[in-house]
Amino acid sequence: QVQLQQWGAGLLKPSETLSLTCAVYGGSFSGYSWSWIRQPPGKGLEWIGKINHSGSTNYIPSLKSRVTISVATSKNHFSLKLRSVTAADTAVYYCARGIGGSSSPHFDPWGQGTLVTVSS
Amino acid sequence: EIVLTQSPGTLSLSPGERATLSCRASQSVSSSYLAWYQQKPGQAPRLLIYGASSRATGIPDRFTGSGSGTDFTLTISRLEPEDFAVYYCQQYGSSPPIFTFGPGTKVDIK
Repeated sequence: QVQLQQWGAGLLKPSETLSLTCAVYGGSFSGYSWSWIRQPPGKGLEWIGKINHSGSTNYIPSLKSRVTISVATSKNHFSLKLRSVTAADTAVYYCARGIGGSSSPHFDPWGQGTLVTVSS
Repeated sequence: EIVLTQSPGTLSLSPGERATLSCRASQSVSSSYLAWYQQKPGQAPRLLIYGASSRATGIPDRFTGSGSGTDFTLTISRLEPEDFAVYYCQQYGSSPPIFTFGPGTKVDIK
């Protein structure tokens, strides 16, 4: 059974860079896409972007200038960097496996979530 | 970009009752690209339905997804105590290739 475990710094100051990593256990890394999704406190879900095992990425336009998602296939890890954070970036960040390819894309499973707070 | 609207915002029901949740898209969505998730407080979302009507592994058959075009529905036939949660619909747009979620419907105990 595939499990995703994520980690990273939980408290940042404005203008710093958010950095999170997600490790994939118990399943293949190739053949899937790997996404980051965030959820501000008390609010809904926002997809940030995805990467496939070969390194091809897609990002939501509103964050594209600040986001980098990268993959370390040999380690079954993928990472998120979000530059120049502000209080508006405060959220729980989730990693998730994208399955269904281009025919029926959806997310399963998800990581446990990491609360990232941006405060001076 | 396709916008998803979910209604109602909150649904107050009793255990054993039927829940009908709506997800409406601002333009037509391929049924293959519509999914539903359940989220409980402090937990990550869990996949319920993909391809508009296919249940994910381990999801009880009291959860049914249906719909096409711009209107999709998640039905919970008889609410169990563990079903009280927030439900999100999600669609994938191939051009541009991005995912969007609806704002969610909270199903709480009446």
